[in-house]
Amino acid sequence: SQQGEEDPQALSIQEGENATMNCSYKTSINNLQWYRQNSGRGLVHLILIRSNEREKHSGRLRVTLDTSKKSSSLLITASRAADTASYFCATDRGSTLGRLYFGRGTQLTVWP
Amino acid sequence: KAGVTQTPRYLIKTRGQQVTLSCSPISGHRSVSWYQQTPGQGLQFLFEYFSETQRNKGNFPGRFSGRQFSNSRSEMNVSTLELGDSALYLCASSLQVNEKLFFGSGTQLSVL
Repeated sequence: SQQGEEDPQALSIQEGENATMNCSYKTSINNLQWYRQNSGRGLVHLILIRSNEREKHSGRLRVTLDTSKKSSSLLITASRAADTASYFCATDRGSTLGRLYFGRGTQLTVWP
Repeated sequence: KAGVTQTPRYLIKTRGQQVTLSCSPISGHRSVSWYQQTPGQGLQFLFEYFSETQRNKGNFPGRFSGRQFSNSRSEMNVSTLELGDSALYLCASSLQVNEKLFFGSGTQLSVL
């Protein structure tokens, strides 16, 4: 069963623009993670934000977490064509067992 | 460090056959998890192993099984294949439970 719900399902922008993707979840969490996937390949970990953190940065990525609203956002600044991929959020539902719950993903297309 | 290696990359089988997929985690990672990805269901958790013990299992029929060896390498087996088993099967390893999963490129299974 899915945990996160990414919004929008698809996003199309021009190079240089910013891309914002949102994720909502339903249960308490220990952490929330964002992953990226190029078509037909494995997922690549982008960033992890813990439940007691509100914002985290990594290069052109900025992630926010609002546990009161059970939502997170991923901002990619100054997008490049190479950022074209699917982006997924994943949570642990507060469990310490080895299982993540992934959303359906946002398909980002960046046009040159 | 070598990444997560999954073999084979592509597999074509017919209904009723069985298949074994292999995963070699990153050296030092003891947690290995498996996910099934389809366009309709998204990423679905199959199982997670830690030090040769299955700690968590997703909601899949008993035809899906797995194991982990003492060197942390893992295999998953699907018996009596059905058309609906066609999917990308992803293996991931991690140093700490539920944190920063490193995914392999996946095995694309087609059942005819």
